Amino acid sequence: KQEVTQIPAALSVPEGENLVLNCSFTDSAIYNLQWFRQDPGKGLTSLLLIQSSQREQTSGRLNASLDKSSGRSTLYIAASQPGDSATYLCAVEGTGGFKTIFGAGTRLFVKA
Amino acid sequence: EPEVTQTPSHQVTQMGQEVILRCVPISNHLYFYWYRQILGQKVEFLVSFYNNEISEKSEIFDDQFSVERPDGSNFTLKIRSTKLEDSAMYFCASSELANLGGNTIYFGEGSWLTVV
Repeated sequence: KQEVTQIPAALSVPEGENLVLNCSFTDSAIYNLQWFRQDPGKGLTSLLLIQSSQREQTSGRLNASLDKSSGRSTLYIAASQPGDSATYLCAVEGTGGFKTIFGAGTRLFVKA
Repeated sequence: EPEVTQTPSHQVTQMGQEVILRCVPISNHLYFYWYRQILGQKVEFLVSFYNNEISEKSEIFDDQFSVERPDGSNFTLKIRSTKLEDSAMYFCASSELANLGGNTIYFGEGSWLTVV
């Protein structure tokens, strides 16, 4: 059974800092891994999707990497801003079906 | 940008009552999903739906739950007899194809269900 773990659970950083969020998954048989952002009481916004054959994806100040064999992904946020404050969720789509399994998220607070 | 829309945004219901949550997926998408998030917990998969039938469902999706695509645009989740533990945010999602590689899942803003 696929398990997704995110470390740290919470993070508080000063504005401008570069930071890394970590995600690990137990079953490497995945189609893809997706990073989402969730603001309090809101829906999920897709940030980046990495296919199983890819190593990384970039969008603006965000860079996500995937090491499928070791079951790890990182989300790198450059030059963090207060507007980046949110919960970041990692989710994997397994090869066994149509469902996406989520981690518990990392709650990020960027101080101005 | 196209988006998944959900109604209602918030519903309060008495225990034992039936609830229908509605979703309009992105128009050219073929795969539809319901997820839920109990306050403070992980987002959990409930069910996926394709070609007018359930593709996969989780152990959470028992006989009190059902899904339907009553017309060409709506996708609904019905909870037949609500329990207190059904209180959660319910997310609808859609994707153009199954995630056999690189298809992003798009989520709606959620419907917050409170059972009292």
